[in-house]
Amino acid sequence: QSVLTQPPSASGTPGQRVTISCSGSKSNIGSDDVFWYQQLPGTAPKLLIYKNDQRPSGVPDRFSGSKSGTSASLAISGLRSEDEADYYCAAWDDSRSVNYVFGGGTKLTVL
Amino acid sequence: QITLKESGPTLVKPTQTLTLTCTFSGFSLTTSGVAVGWIRQPPGKALEWLGLIYWDGDKRYNPSLWSRLTITKVTSKNQIVLSLTNMDPVDTATYYCVHGVSGTLDNWGQGTLVTVSS
Repeated sequence: QSVLTQPPSASGTPGQRVTISCSGSKSNIGSDDVFWYQQLPGTAPKLLIYKNDQRPSGVPDRFSGSKSGTSASLAISGLRSEDEADYYCAAWDDSRSVNYVFGGGTKLTVL
Repeated sequence: QITLKESGPTLVKPTQTLTLTCTFSGFSLTTSGVAVGWIRQPPGKALEWLGLIYWDGDKRYNPSLWSRLTITKVTSKNQIVLSLTNMDPVDTATYYCVHGVSGTLDNWGQGTLVTVSS
């Protein structure tokens, strides 16, 4: 099982706001930055949020990230059909040695 | 524009060694703070970080794979090479090459599916 914990699924209707949670521990989210990736069906993951709340150029401001303690969240506002994808959180972990850990992924369905 | 592309066998037999090459462009692996590495994804499953090699030659490996994994760089060819020994069917996955800078893994290759089967 994954080091970071995400809900396996989430859903919403077009225009809604949805949030995806990511829970970790002191050795990862609690001590370092969180990253979010979007994986559209059949494609490679794409960086969506870096360093907790920063958006790479080209990512719409409908996507936002936040972190508090050992948990993080990804929010998507104004949900669109093209947002249907798998979303993964990630963080650096220093519990054994330097290691980049992922959540199990959340499949977002736009109803 | 940063691009990365993975190449190598699509099928390997159990106990064999997998060798994959990542050829990249749009950046230099001699620039301070830059790293290139590997992430894999078994069919229908989550992502798993394998390891990174940094601009200064430093390497970081997933602790669960460190005894089987080696990542090397060929700076003159803008390539890194993954070697994973003693392959098993559970190693069947899409293998992605990734670019990193200052701790952010930001650009991914398209991935290559490797199947382990006799």
